[in-house]
Amino acid sequence: DAGVTQSPTHLIKTRGQQVTLRCSPKSGHDTVSWYQQALGQGPQFIFQYYEEEERQRGNFPDRFSGHQFPNYSSELNVNALLLGDSALYLCATTTDRELTGELFFGEGSRLTVL
Amino acid sequence: GNSVTQMEGPVTLSEEAFLTINCTYTATGYPSLFWYVQYPGEGLQLLLKATKADDKGSNKGFEATYRKETTSFHLEKGSVQVSDSAVYFCALRGYSSASKIIFGSGTRLSIRP
Repeated sequence: DAGVTQSPTHLIKTRGQQVTLRCSPKSGHDTVSWYQQALGQGPQFIFQYYEEEERQRGNFPDRFSGHQFPNYSSELNVNALLLGDSALYLCATTTDRELTGELFFGEGSRLTVL
Repeated sequence: GNSVTQMEGPVTLSEEAFLTINCTYTATGYPSLFWYVQYPGEGLQLLLKATKADDKGSNKGFEATYRKETTSFHLEKGSVQVSDSAVYFCALRGYSSASKIIFGSGTRLSIRP
């Protein structure tokens, strides 16, 4: 059973560019959340997708956007990159039926903005 | 809003020492509580969880008890090993299908042989 997979694992961009990160959920999971983890910090919630809709959003600007596809996979897009966007971006999935359930995390995409 | 506060690190212990990492939370209603662990070079993984007051989560020798009266979920282990060196995150999820998981800032644990 494949767990949560993310791509790419590492990437380098320059300020002002745009980036797209991808996530495939664990089998049976329909809810995808994205987190940003700066160095030495805990993960910060960006947004959550369920049934192809953004259901909840954290305190991130509109430069951060996402999408969920019918197969439950998801993309995170960041426009007009800033140096401060350098971080590990984590995808986490769960099933909406389990209200107390844990999140399963991918290993993340490490973004460096120069 | 919901929040989690955990003990600042780093924490350095000798092998076989007793470990406590403090975690307190603020939340409305009855959240679920978690400890996640991030080993070097790996992704976050669930260590243990508790979903209601007085529940005790346990795994790999680690334990934490959901204390509603003190709004705490402290992580303990009686005898740590070098392999326990990692970053530990306390987290909570409100009781709602739309609820996100909120993480503390993490505590880095290093165990000396």
